[in-house]
Amino acid sequence: EPEVTQTPSHQVTQMGQEVILRCVPISNHLYFYWYRQILGQKVEFLVSFYNNEISEKSEIFDDQFSVERPDGSNFTLKIRSTKLEDSAMYFCASGRGTNYGYTFGSGTRLTVV
Amino acid sequence: GESVGLHLPTLSVQEGDNSIINCAYSNSASDYFIWYKQESGKGPQFIIDIRSNMDKRQGQRVTVLLNKTVKHLSLQIAATQPGDSAVYFCAEKDSGAGSYQLTFGKGTKLSVIP
Repeated sequence: EPEVTQTPSHQVTQMGQEVILRCVPISNHLYFYWYRQILGQKVEFLVSFYNNEISEKSEIFDDQFSVERPDGSNFTLKIRSTKLEDSAMYFCASGRGTNYGYTFGSGTRLTVV
Repeated sequence: GESVGLHLPTLSVQEGDNSIINCAYSNSASDYFIWYKQESGKGPQFIIDIRSNMDKRQGQRVTVLLNKTVKHLSLQIAATQPGDSAVYFCAEKDSGAGSYQLTFGKGTKLSVIP
C-alpha cells in the first residue's frame, strides 16, 4: 500500500535554529498538507499546497514557516527560527482531491531546546 | 470559531463487544467527515469517511453514522479487537470552495480489555 514517508522521525534543535522537515507524498497525489500535533492535543492544520502554491494556511503558519516542493517527489516544511512552542509532531499528508481522505505520514517529532 | 469536539475522552470495552465513539460538530457548512485512528507514535490512519448527502456508510467492521439535524457523527466498531486500541479522531471539512483543511476533534482513547 502506498505510504507518505517523513524524515527524520525525530529532530532535536536549539531555539533560534532553522529546521527542514521532509516528506515524500504518494506519487499520484496532487494535494499536500502539513499538520502538527502538540503532545496530548488535537491535530492542527498548518498549510495546504496544490499546483505548486499554497492554497490555504492557518494562523499558526506565520512568516517563520515556509513550504516547498523542490522536485517532483519531495515536499518540505521549513521553520526559519524555531521557538520552544514549535515542539510538536509534524505530520505530512497527501491526497487525490479535497474531498478524499488524506494519507498521513508517521510524523517527525520536533523538539526545540 | 466553529469546532469539532468529542463527547467521551476515554472508552473501555471488552474484546468482542461493539464500540461506539461519538463526535459533535458545530460547523453547519461542513460537508465531508472522516474518522481517523491514531496509534501511539504514528500518524492518523484513515478509517472511513462520509459525505453530507449520506447518513450511513459501512466499511469492514466499521460504520459511520451522520445526523445532520443534530450535527452528530458516530463511529461504530463491531467485535472490537485488541488491535483497535488507539485514539480515534473525527475530522470535518468545510464545503467552501477555497477550503482544503480538515478540522480535527480532540480524540477519544479506546482501550480494549482482553
